[in-house]
This record gives sequence, structure tokens and C-alpha cells, in this order.
Amino acid sequence: EAQVTQNPRYLITVTGKKLTVTCSQNMNHEYMSWYRQDPGLGLRQIYYSMNVEVTDKGDVPEGYKVSRKEKRNFPLILESPSPNQTSLYFCASKRYRVGADTQYFGPGTRLTVL
Amino acid sequence: GIQVEQSPPDLILQEGANSTLRCNFSDSVNNLQWFHQNPWGQLINLFYIPSGTKQNGRLSATTVATERYSLLYISSSQTTDSGVYFCAVDGATNKLIFGTGTLLAVQP
Repeated sequence: EAQVTQNPRYLITVTGKKLTVTCSQNMNHEYMSWYRQDPGLGLRQIYYSMNVEVTDKGDVPEGYKVSRKEKRNFPLILESPSPNQTSLYFCASKRYRVGADTQYFGPGTRLTVL
Repeated sequence: GIQVEQSPPDLILQEGANSTLRCNFSDSVNNLQWFHQNPWGQLINLFYIPSGTKQNGRLSATTVATERYSLLYISSSQTTDSGVYFCAVDGATNKLIFGTGTLLAVQP
């Protein structure tokens, strides 16, 4: 089954404790990205990657890191989480080609930073 | 940047009723998608519809790209249709720009 998976689905942590949210897709997509969703602010892009070893900042990259060492994986790293990073996080992927195509979203990771 | 507006912001229906949700966008786009966010927070792809009309069961969608709007039709609504419906369009760098959503509540 074609899908985007994220782990963990739920996480409660404390300020300053490094964490990684994993994202994996099995559709051989070149493009992957991370979004966060907050009440009143909608979904905003954090980082994106056009292909392996190619990443760039989205609209709200502060406090986050990413890496793209393999085509299927795109982990989101919070080196020192803070309460303002409490949010619902989504990973997404799509083919990267001229024109457009459907973006597929993972099930979401609900993060609480105390 | 591209602006995406959705209407109505909220909608309450009785089970079995039909509804139309609207999405207006401010510039030409290559991609338009409709999503349903269920009460558990999951974003479910409904349609990829940059132009034309598509149907999937009780749901259908139409995008008129030249007039910069899209419509999502829900027929014979069920309580499981409740949630938030988003449209989203491609911005620069393949980023999806989401509308503010329509919160739908279907009552039994």
C-alpha cells in the first residue's frame, strides 16, 4: 500500500530534550516536506527536500533541522524543543516533476513540549 | 503570494442533506487538492483536481481554473463526514498553501 508513515504518532516531552520525528514513504517520491498545524495559523511548511541531500527552509524553520540521506526518509529533528513547538506535525511527499502532482500526507504527530 | 479563501467557515447539516463547499484562489495554480481532516487529526486526500470535474462516491469536485475557484459537493451526508475540509494549492517550491477550512458537523 502506498503510504507516508510517521513515528511517533503522539509524544509528550520536556523543554530541551532532543527528539526526532521520523517520516518514511514507499512511493519513490523525490519531494518531501514537513508542515506544522496550529489553531488559527493553519498549516505552515517547516522544511522541504527536492531530492537526496537537497533540503531547504520553508516558512517556519527556526528550531528545526532535517536531513535527507535516503530517498524514502526525511526525519525532523528538534535539537532543543520549546513549548512553542507544541503542535501537530505532518510529513508529506510527492513526485517532483514539471507540472504538478498529488501530495500525500502522513497521519500526523501530535507533539507536546512541557 | 497566493491567497486561498474557503466558504462557509462553518456548516451544520442533518444526516442525509447535501452541501457545497467553495474554495477561491487569487492566482493561477498548477495543483489544487481537497482534504478532509477527521476528528483524529488525520488529513485524508479527497481529490487532486487542478481543473475539471471528478467524482468519488458521494463526493464530487469541480475546479474552474479560469475563474479561480473550486467546489466540493457532499451528497447524502453522514456523521462520518464531519471534520474540517481544506482546499490547498501549489505555491512556490511545491509548497501547498492551505485555505482556512470549512468545519462541517453532520448531526444524526
